[in-house]
Parts: sequence; C-alpha cells; structure tokens
Amino acid sequence: SQQGEEDPQALSIQEGENATMNCSYKTSINNLQWYRQNSGRGLVHLILIRSNEREKHSGRLRVTLDTSKKSSSLLITASRAADTASYFCATDAGGGNKLTFGTGTQLKVEL
Amino acid sequence: NAGVTQTPKFRVLKTGQSMTLLCAQDMNHEYMYWYRQDPGMGLRLIHYSVGEGTTAKGEVPDGYNVSRLKKQNFLLGLESAAPSQTSVYFCASGENWDYTEAFFGQGTRLTVV
Repeated sequence: SQQGEEDPQALSIQEGENATMNCSYKTSINNLQWYRQNSGRGLVHLILIRSNEREKHSGRLRVTLDTSKKSSSLLITASRAADTASYFCATDAGGGNKLTFGTGTQLKVEL
Repeated sequence: NAGVTQTPKFRVLKTGQSMTLLCAQDMNHEYMYWYRQDPGMGLRLIHYSVGEGTTAKGEVPDGYNVSRLKKQNFLLGLESAAPSQTSVYFCASGENWDYTEAFFGQGTRLTVV
C-alpha cells in the first residue's frame, strides 16, 4: 500500500493565489520529499525536509512537517500557470533506502 | 551530463512477448529504482538495487525481473507481457536519502495488447 496519501487529489486555482497540498503517511520516517511532475514527463525534486525539521523554505515553496500527526504540507505562494503539474510526496521509511510515493495532487493554475 | 536515460520511450507489445527496458545513469549513484505509474495509483516500486550486482523486490515485483551487472545500468525485464503491465515505467537513481534526492528518467510508456 502507498506510504503517502495526498490531499486534495485535484486543485484548481487562479494565477497569483496560493496552493496548499497535504500529505499523510503511515510509518515513522527519516525524511520527506516533494516532487513535481509535468504532464508526460519524469519527476523533478522540489524540496526535502528531515524528520527533525518542522519547516523549510525554497523560493516560493514552503514545506511543513508534523511527525506527531504523520503529515506534511506543501505551500506554493503566488502561483503561476507554469506551476500546473502533479505534486507527489515521498517518504524514506528508513529500511533499504526505498523511496515510497503518494498518489499525488493535480494542480491546475488558470490565467 | 545526461542524468538518467531510459530506452525505449514508447513500446507496444503483444501479450506473451518479452522485452527489456534499459536505464542508464551517469552520476555514479549507488541506488537505482524501477517504478510503474498508473492513473490514480501514484508511483509503485517494482524492484530496486543498492549497488552493482544487487537487486531487491519492491511493492509490485511479480512479472518483472531486473539485473544490475554494471553500476550505471539497471535493466527491467518482462518475460511474458500481460495487459496488466500496461503502464508508464520510470527509472530513478540516487544516493543516501538522508541528504539527497532521487533523479528520474523521462519514462517509458508501455502498452500490452
């Protein structure tokens, strides 16, 4: 079964608005990563947050991690049409260096 | 620097045929992975390797075999393709997940008819 589950499954917003995606996972982790996938392409790494970190920023991205709730959120501020993509969280549960992905959130940013 | 390269990019197979997907990385990564992506299912791990000569099963290994004879290459084989193996296959490579990310290929779209 999937380690991570994203919420919502799909999100449609206007350009300039903020987009928030959530990820829940089931077991303890060493770190959590977020990836972006444009249609028909491979996944591209966005940001990594370790289990002892609570918040991390990278440009217009802000990631939070709550290990007590086994959840993470990805906030994209001032969204652009180019942010239209699917976003996945991935966790390393610490055994065998396996990276397990969630089901993804499809984000559509309209002009 | 090509990163992770998958060949072929597209393939149509008839049920029962066999094929091999090739993944090559030029970043000297120890770890390599094969995932399949199906609509609404996210990415599921098929097999992975933590170094040259090693392989291990992931979440959905049935119907697939892999080999890692050279550090830079990770091959995924389908011995007898089935329609249920119609999917998009992604290869990824990386180092220790504690401090670095996975690098993905562009994917192979496989259709089994």
